Amino acid sequence: ELKVEQNPLFLSMQEGKNYTIYCNYSTTSDRLYWYRQDPGKSLESLFVLLSNGAVKQEGRLMASLDTKARLSTLHITAAVHDLSATYFCAVDINLTTDSWGKLQFGAGTQVVVTP
Amino acid sequence: DVKVTQSSRYLVKRTGEKVFLECVQDMDHENMFWYRQDPGLGLRLIYFSYDVKMKEKGDIPEGYSVSREKKERFSLILESASTNQTSMYLCASSFSSGTGNFGPGTRLTVT
Repeated sequence: ELKVEQNPLFLSMQEGKNYTIYCNYSTTSDRLYWYRQDPGKSLESLFVLLSNGAVKQEGRLMASLDTKARLSTLHITAAVHDLSATYFCAVDINLTTDSWGKLQFGAGTQVVVTP
Repeated sequence: DVKVTQSSRYLVKRTGEKVFLECVQDMDHENMFWYRQDPGLGLRLIYFSYDVKMKEKGDIPEGYSVSREKKERFSLILESASTNQTSMYLCASSFSSGTGNFGPGTRLTVT
């Protein structure tokens, strides 16, 4: 059974500092997704990582994937209040097709950014 | 923009009631999914469907069933609601390849 572990589960950030969220998974997969969720809202796709060594960046967020280590990281540079949300990683457990959606999610990391 | 809509944002039902959660997508996606979200557990897949009238169990199908009579609509059914089914339910859809989209969610409370 695929397990996806995120840590930390809660992250209190100071504005302007850098932080990293880790996502470890237990079986082979080369498709990993990062989502953001604001309170009471649905999931917003942040990054799609589809191969070993993939790195994607958008604004202050950068995600990377190391399939050999079964590890993805979400790095936050110079945190700002607007980044307060819950962040989820999800691993695609359907390796037989390109079909998205049969995902195994981490528990989520709640991020609070304070001045 | 792809739209995935869910029939209710909030729903309160009594134990033992039959509950229907509806999901509609407007992009002709083949695949549709139902997840439930609980604090500390992330999202867990309940059922999914790769085509009309097809369904497959996800990780936690017990106590749920689904129906997909039309391509754009995927219904989640709680045959006899129980308090442990109080949760946020998220529908999603996608093409056969590529990523998908989540709906806004239905927060179900069973009392």
